[in-house]
Amino acid sequence: QKEVEQNSGPLSVPEGAIASLNCTYSDRGSQSFFWYRQYSGKSPELIMSIYSNGDKEDGRFTAQLNKASQYVSLLIRDSQPSDSATYLCAVNGLYKLVFGAGTILRVKS
Amino acid sequence: SAVISQKPSRDICQRGTSLTIQCQVDSQVTMMFWYRQQPGQSLTLIATANQGSEATYESGFVIDKFPISRPNLTFSTLTVSNMSPEDSSIYLCSVEDETEGAFFGQGTRLTVV
Repeated sequence: QKEVEQNSGPLSVPEGAIASLNCTYSDRGSQSFFWYRQYSGKSPELIMSIYSNGDKEDGRFTAQLNKASQYVSLLIRDSQPSDSATYLCAVNGLYKLVFGAGTILRVKS
Repeated sequence: SAVISQKPSRDICQRGTSLTIQCQVDSQVTMMFWYRQQPGQSLTLIATANQGSEATYESGFVIDKFPISRPNLTFSTLTVSNMSPEDSSIYLCSVEDETEGAFFGQGTRLTVV
């Protein structure tokens, strides 16, 4: 079992729709959870972090965490073509971050 | 947050040669991380570089192939040795904070011909 799992996609949504990206993790002791966006040919950039159960909103982005279910998600409202990228979920491990394989998101105009 | 400068940004190298990638951080950090990202793949951790001690390598990566230096708390290098076309990848250095996550350099796009 992979430590951090994501659906590789691609996830295609029309412009203006809500994109929902999901991630599950195996280490119940994890405390910090992160979402990164990576454009093709670029480095990953942090877009959201979450540490407590529930929702955390930042602009069009909402991160949701459910530690009991070991599940973290990212919602992107009013999706734009510029949101098209690979989204990486990361979870803190013993001394390093553990990254999922990433979900490719395509927003069609 | 940390600002990381990585160079070179890209290179095309002949097989059998070596390339050293440099990573400079704008603040002192205990650990620096080196990742590889093969085309269409996610990040794979190569090793963790600690100042004052040997780097810790992940399964599948060895020091002879990927020697790492960490001479001080703001700088690290990764060398890709005796390169083959299979080493063509993007190589990324990063620093991590438990609460802020990871910050990455710009990456080095390596093509081995």
